Amino acid sequence: GENVEQHPSTLSVQEGDSAVIKCTYSDSASNYFPWYKQELGKRPQLIIDIRSNVGEKKDQRIAVTLNKTAKHFSLHITETQPEDSAVYFCAASKHGGATNKLIFGTGTLLAVQP
Amino acid sequence: EPEVTQTPSHQVTQMGQEVILRCVPISNHLYFYWYRQILGQKVEFLVSFYNNEISEKSEIFDDQFSVERPDGSNFTLKIRSTKLEDSAMYFCASSAGFNQPQHFGDGTRLSIL
Repeated sequence: GENVEQHPSTLSVQEGDSAVIKCTYSDSASNYFPWYKQELGKRPQLIIDIRSNVGEKKDQRIAVTLNKTAKHFSLHITETQPEDSAVYFCAASKHGGATNKLIFGTGTLLAVQP
Repeated sequence: EPEVTQTPSHQVTQMGQEVILRCVPISNHLYFYWYRQILGQKVEFLVSFYNNEISEKSEIFDDQFSVERPDGSNFTLKIRSTKLEDSAMYFCASSAGFNQPQHFGDGTRLSIL
């Protein structure tokens, strides 16, 4: 069935360092890949997304890369700040087909140490 | 920035009772969703809703669950005969179109005793 694997489950970095979170999806028909940031007790907040016709997308300190052949996509956060600390979820979806449900990864707890 | 709003923020209910979780999607959005997140686990899709009918549902969304858009603004999730394992955070989401990003509400924490 559809599945999204996410690694690592926890990530601790020093303030100013970069953080990379990786996801792998199983359904080759997936074509939309959003990333959500969830602070403790809060809603998942969309921070960046990428569609399969693009290999990379950047928005200030965050970027997402997609390798369709390997069915991998990654979130890159540069110059991390303490306020980046949160759980990050990747997700995959098949836009344009009969479904647009999001299949989420298991989440990565990012801790940025000041 | 428009937001999805959910009420209540926390609902405590005795096992076997019925609960209704309420959501107000972003006003110009046409697609509505419910997801749930059991404590410490991933977010799971429950159901999607468009044009006043269910467009897709997961295996979790069995006869115990139902959704409704009773008026032009609210979108509700009803859970009948609640069980202990229904305890979770329930998130409502909405999107402007089928291929558009989904925006989540703050969630309702449902605790079944």
